[in-house]
Amino acid sequence: GAVVSQHPSWVICKSGTSVKIECRSLDFQATTMFWYRQFPKQSLMLMATSNEGSKATYEQGVEKDKFLINHASLTLSTLTVTSAHPEDSSFYICSASRRTTEAFFGQGTRLTVV
Amino acid sequence: KQEVTQIPAALSVPEGENLVLNCSFTDSAIYNLQWFRQDPGKGLTSLLLIQSSQREQTSGRLNASLDKSSGRSTLYIAASQPGDSATYLCAVPETGANSKLTFGKGITLSVRP
Repeated sequence: GAVVSQHPSWVICKSGTSVKIECRSLDFQATTMFWYRQFPKQSLMLMATSNEGSKATYEQGVEKDKFLINHASLTLSTLTVTSAHPEDSSFYICSASRRTTEAFFGQGTRLTVV
Repeated sequence: KQEVTQIPAALSVPEGENLVLNCSFTDSAIYNLQWFRQDPGKGLTSLLLIQSSQREQTSGRLNASLDKSSGRSTLYIAASQPGDSATYLCAVPETGANSKLTFGKGITLSVRP
């Protein structure tokens, strides 16, 4: 089956630094990928839609200058959390779909900002 | 705007029991519905996908049904095992395939040995 790989699975960074999270579709091309954020004991909240070759579409309330998304190829999207602060600590998950099949999710990245 | 609801939020059952997890959605014009499993601190694992034209899908001990007219889906787990303990989420795409998903809040299942 289709696999979406996310890296790193966890990261600890100092406040004020930037962190990059990668999301790869391993056996299919994904023109669209999605980035979600999940707080403890809550469901997933969509942050943005990553479109290959064009700008990402951000959900209302998500700071596009803080959460930079780059979808440079059909198999890779990256999310960069810039100038991270403790309130950015969360679980970030990406997903990708083939054209007519189910959505597949990465393993998630636990970000802790200290 | 589509809303997806999963009730109850948590469920505890003894091992071996057959159980049903419910999912309801407000807009019946869905393209498909997908059930996921999430273990603590992990990503989502796709369990079953039901296309809008289908009534049910089966995979091993899991069976998912879909009733678009009533805005409901159920995930049936047969002969539950402690390893089934996890959070189960249902989700529907906003528009067609490959569009963003609207999730329910999930049902946290605990299967007691």
